[in-house]
Amino acid sequence: EAQVTQNPRYLITVTGKKLTVTCSQNMNHEYMSWYRQDPGLGLRQIYYSMNVEVTDKGDVPEGYKVSRKEKRNFPLILESPSPNQTSLYFCASSLSAGDRVHEQFFGPGTRLTVL
Amino acid sequence: AQSVAQPEDQVNVAEGNPLTVKCTYSVSGNPYLFWYVQYPNRGLQFLLKYITGDNLVKGSYGFEAEFNKSQTSFHLKKPSALVSDSALYFCAGPGGSARQLTFGSGTQLTVLP
Repeated sequence: EAQVTQNPRYLITVTGKKLTVTCSQNMNHEYMSWYRQDPGLGLRQIYYSMNVEVTDKGDVPEGYKVSRKEKRNFPLILESPSPNQTSLYFCASSLSAGDRVHEQFFGPGTRLTVL
Repeated sequence: AQSVAQPEDQVNVAEGNPLTVKCTYSVSGNPYLFWYVQYPNRGLQFLLKYITGDNLVKGSYGFEAEFNKSQTSFHLKKPSALVSDSALYFCAGPGGSARQLTFGSGTQLTVLP
């Protein structure tokens, strides 16, 4: 089954404790992206990757890091989480962006709470 | 700046009635636009897209959307709503670069039995 998986699905942590949210897709997609969803704000893009070893900042990259060492994986790293990073996070993937974004497949989401 | 807007936070409609969820866009050049649906505790699912061509786009689950260039709108429609259509709907379009998507704030659709 074609899918995007994220782990963990739920995470409660404390300020300053480094964490990683994993994302993996099995569709051989070149393009991957991370979003955060907050009430009333829709989805905002954190980082995206056009292919292995190619990453770019989205609209809200501060406080986050990503890496793309393998095509299927795109982990999101919070080196020193703060309460304002409490949110619902989604990973997504699609075919190569080329000259535009294609329809994206989304993971089930990770609900993060930072105390 | 490129943007999409969903002017209604909440839309209520009776089962069997037609539904419309509104989206307007501000995009330079030829826009490409998407609709996604999010059911509770789930990720977003792709419904339909407009790239070029026919202004009426048909998608999954009986949904369709009409691209209107003069009104810069891309409203989502369905002729007869089902209770199971109740969900959060997002419009999306090109963002700061051609390789980014920007999303509207979402519209909660509730179909009343």
